[in-house]
Amino acid sequence: EPEVTQTPSHQVTQMGQEVILRCVPISNHLYFYWYRQILGQKVEFLVSFYNNEISEKSEIFDDQFSVERPDGSNFTLKIRSTKLEDSAMYFCARSPGLAYTDTQYFGPGTRLTVL
Amino acid sequence: QKEVEQNSGPLSVPEGAIASLNCTYSDRVSQSFFWYRQYSGKSPELIMSIYSNGDKEDGRFTAQLNKASQYVSLLIRDSQPSDSATYLCAVPQGGGNKLTFGTGTQLKVEL
Repeated sequence: EPEVTQTPSHQVTQMGQEVILRCVPISNHLYFYWYRQILGQKVEFLVSFYNNEISEKSEIFDDQFSVERPDGSNFTLKIRSTKLEDSAMYFCARSPGLAYTDTQYFGPGTRLTVL
Repeated sequence: QKEVEQNSGPLSVPEGAIASLNCTYSDRVSQSFFWYRQYSGKSPELIMSIYSNGDKEDGRFTAQLNKASQYVSLLIRDSQPSDSATYLCAVPQGGGNKLTFGTGTQLKVEL
């Protein structure tokens, strides 16, 4: 299974602060996704990203969130002005393509705790 | 809103038994289905994928798909304590293949 890393593994922040979560996917995967999982709940899609553009986003992904690939390798999710309800595991996933057979591989996740 | 439904469990089986995990989905045009395993506090790990009606076997795991009934299942033979985890059913939707997950079924394999 292709590797992807996410940093930090755990982020603790105060409500209202900005956080940046990072994902480093392998270079030949073109499609990236962010998902989150609130404790005890299902994994939820946030946003998909292709060719340096957002290709799809969910209702959760409001103006508080942004994604970018600042240096062509790292893939970041920024959460501005964090809220208590943003506490969750955030997973980066990547896929080699958009064929219905293409698998999404998940990174280890970042646990975000908003106090 | 496309739905993916799973029984949350817990499903308890004795070691060595067959565990049967079920999933139903609402989107009739779905073409592919994925089973992920998730240990507590960890990320989803791909177990199996299935695209065609019928059975697909990989080691101790068998995925079964019935598109007419909109039903996909995962069988785990010779269950081991290390199989104790939450099993997530996921269905790609939309042109971007965003995954819609079920709530997951917690499996407990008892000694």
